[in-house]
Amino acid sequence: GENVEQHPSTLSVQEGDSAVIKCTYSDSASNYFPWYKQELGKRPQLIIDIRSNVGEKKDQRIAVTLNKTAKHFSLHITETQPEDSAVYFCAAIPPGGGADGLTFGKGTHLIIQP
Amino acid sequence: DAGVTQSPTHLIKTRGQQVTLRCSPKSGHDTVSWYQQALGQGPQFIFQYYEEEERQRGNFPDRFSGHQFPNYSSELNVNALLLGDSALYLCASGPPRTNSPLHFGNGTRLTVT
Repeated sequence: GENVEQHPSTLSVQEGDSAVIKCTYSDSASNYFPWYKQELGKRPQLIIDIRSNVGEKKDQRIAVTLNKTAKHFSLHITETQPEDSAVYFCAAIPPGGGADGLTFGKGTHLIIQP
Repeated sequence: DAGVTQSPTHLIKTRGQQVTLRCSPKSGHDTVSWYQQALGQGPQFIFQYYEEEERQRGNFPDRFSGHQFPNYSSELNVNALLLGDSALYLCASGPPRTNSPLHFGNGTRLTVT
């Protein structure tokens, strides 16, 4: 099945700086890559996603890049703000869902220092 | 338009007992998936229901079973509870198209003592 590795596990950045979280996946057939933000005690919320037919997608301060050849994708947050502090999860899924459903990374705890 | 709703929010059970968790999908969604999230970990896929049938299943024992009703709501049942079953159980729903964005509920926090 699919295996998703995510790093770093913890990332501390100064407010206003950029943050980058990286993920690799193992199944070359995977074609959908969402990113979720989970605040303490709350549900994971989809913040951005990308499909394998594009290399980059941007939504205001958030962008995701995908390198299919290297099987890795990254989340970029620019001009970080205190409300960006949360745990971020990357995920991958092959066409048709696969036997493992959506496979998540272990998460990155992003800390925005004031 | 209500999102994904789950009940109960918290539950405490004893080892060996059985538990049923409930989920109502977001309006317009017909696919329901269940995930287990242990503390400090990413969600782990349990199974997915579509058209009242289990379509996909992750690496979970048969103690975990489910059901989907004609109105697309779903239940997750866990028998013979173990201490290791303590986790946040998340329900996610999606539209009738594969690999579409999943919307999660707030989850049910299950504690097994």
